[in-house]
Amino acid sequence: DGGITQSPKYLFRKEGQNVTLSCEQNLNHDAMYWYRQDPGQGLRLIYYSQIVNDFQKGDIAEGYSVSREKKESFPLTVTSAQKNPTAFYLCASSIDPVTTYNEQFFGPGTRLTVL
Amino acid sequence: GQSLEQPSEVTAVEGAIVQINCTYQTSGFYGLSWYQQHDGGAPTFLSYNALDGLEETGRFSSFLSRSDSYGYLLLQELQMKDSASYFCAVRDNEGSNYQLIWGAGTKLIIKP
Repeated sequence: DGGITQSPKYLFRKEGQNVTLSCEQNLNHDAMYWYRQDPGQGLRLIYYSQIVNDFQKGDIAEGYSVSREKKESFPLTVTSAQKNPTAFYLCASSIDPVTTYNEQFFGPGTRLTVL
Repeated sequence: GQSLEQPSEVTAVEGAIVQINCTYQTSGFYGLSWYQQHDGGAPTFLSYNALDGLEETGRFSSFLSRSDSYGYLLLQELQMKDSASYFCAVRDNEGSNYQLIWGAGTKLIIKP
């Protein structure tokens, strides 16, 4: 079955620690995205990548970092510089965002809690 | 600035029809999308409108008026499983960025 997987589902972090969230897709999609969702709010874009070895900052990139070494993988690191990291993190992918609209497919999300 | 406005909450009765509105103000516009998200789950795509008019997909329909910067999602024959949050999102073609700008979501509460 094709899809997007995120791990772990729940993650607890102590203040001052970096943590990496995994996102893998086997849909052969070119574009991948990381969103943050806070309770009762919409999705805010953290980073996105349209091709391997290239990525762009979204609206709230400060305190986060990403890599795109493989088409299938787009891990997100939440660094200690992110002041309020407790949130629900969603990874998504789409076929090709440039030529025409393509729906975004989402993973199940990772709920990060800072203790 | 760029913004999308949608009601925070809508309540309806099972079997009824409900309309969720979305007005947008963006520098670029490629189209309006709708996504559904159940509590704790991932958003799933419902519809996309690039041109004015109504698009129908089963019990769900979506409408767009570009001149009014307005769209809506229409849900018919409501079922309890339709209880979820619904997000409108605009594809913004400003510069070379092809991002989606998301509304804050409308929580649909369905009563038996």
